[in-house]
Amino acid sequence: EAQVTQNPRYLITVTGKKLTVTCSQNMNHEYMSWYRQDPGLGLRQIYYSMNVEVTDKGDVPEGYKVSRKEKRNFPLILESPSPNQTSLYFCASTWTGLSFSGANVLTFGAGSRLTVL
Amino acid sequence: AQSVTQPDIHITVSEGASLELRCNYSYGATPYLFWYVQSPGQGLQLLLKYFSGDTLVQGIKGFEAEFKRSQSSFNLRKPSVHWSDAAEYFCAVGLNTGNQFYFGTGTSLTVIP
Repeated sequence: EAQVTQNPRYLITVTGKKLTVTCSQNMNHEYMSWYRQDPGLGLRQIYYSMNVEVTDKGDVPEGYKVSRKEKRNFPLILESPSPNQTSLYFCASTWTGLSFSGANVLTFGAGSRLTVL
Repeated sequence: AQSVTQPDIHITVSEGASLELRCNYSYGATPYLFWYVQSPGQGLQLLLKYFSGDTLVQGIKGFEAEFKRSQSSFNLRKPSVHWSDAAEYFCAVGLNTGNQFYFGTGTSLTVIP
């Protein structure tokens, strides 16, 4: 089944304790992206990646890191989590072929709910 | 500033009633337009999309949306709502420049019997 898999789905952690949220897709998609969803703010892009070893900042990258060493994986790293990073996180991917198009449809993971105390 | 606006944070409708969710965008050119639905505990699922051509597009689950260039709008409609339609709905745009997708703040739909 074609899907985007995120882990963990739920996590409660404490301020400053490094954590990684994994994202894996099995569709050979070039483009992958991380979003955070907060009440009243909708989805905001954190980072995206056009392909292996190609990443770029979205609208809210502060406090996050990403890497794209393999095409299928795009982990989100919180080096020193803070309470304002408590949120629902979504990973998404899409096929781009030879070039990116805003017409491509995103496939989303089920989300990771993170609480930082 | 570029933006996607969903003016209704929350809407309540009775089962069987019609539904319209509003979406306006502010971009220089006509972007690619999408509606996604998020059911509780789930990721976002595509309902429908508009790229060009016929301004009335049909989607899954009986939803449709109409693109109106003069109003920069892409409103989502359904003639008769079912209880299973209760969810959060997001309007989104895709841009070729900047390699990004932008989402509205979402509209939460409650369906009452």
